[in-house]
Amino acid sequence: DTEVTQTPKHLVMGMTNKKSLKCEQHMGHRAMYWYKQKAKKPPELMFVYSYEKLSINESVPSRFSPECPNSSLLNLHLHALQPEDSALYLCASSRRTSGDGYEQYFGPGTRLTVT
Amino acid sequence: SQQGEEDPQALSIQEGENATMNCSYKTSINNLQWYRQNSGRGLVHLILIRSNEREKHSGRLRVTLDTSKKSSSLLITASRAADTASYFCATANNNDMRFGAGTRLTVKP
Repeated sequence: DTEVTQTPKHLVMGMTNKKSLKCEQHMGHRAMYWYKQKAKKPPELMFVYSYEKLSINESVPSRFSPECPNSSLLNLHLHALQPEDSALYLCASSRRTSGDGYEQYFGPGTRLTVT
Repeated sequence: SQQGEEDPQALSIQEGENATMNCSYKTSINNLQWYRQNSGRGLVHLILIRSNEREKHSGRLRVTLDTSKKSSSLLITASRAADTASYFCATANNNDMRFGAGTRLTVKP
């Protein structure tokens, strides 16, 4: 199984809502990532988990809160988002961190719209 | 934040022609990777080249890396309409991975 799954596929939320994005992999990967991608732009790294510990937090606003409950799951909790947070949110995983020479496997993404 | 630039930003070729995309970056790296993304979907890994390698091949793909110039190129030979996508280079350093701006490739049948 070389798949990274993400749910939901699409999400529309108001600025006062609280929602969560979920990501799952069963490849035994120990590094997991959240990226944000705006239209016609490259993915921007938000968070990196290595062995279930947060190792990189790219100065992301606190309205985004990541969680890694176990080695297969990654969540992104959303609260009080702004319309400019509307984007494609991509999850990825790799056997170990990419700096050690490992490719990342990406999920299909969650298309988030904040109204 | 973005690591570097890719050029061209957009490339349109006929099926059967070769496509070359270039990537420049700014910091030291452990390796450089190329990914493909079809419109609005997840990225697919194409090839990885380590900082001590200069050239690598995989099927119709050829990647070069020049660490002295902090640049890489991706060559796709004998292109097909199915190669139409956006192509991104990504530099990896420790736990960090940074994507370039990307090249939008259109292959006309």
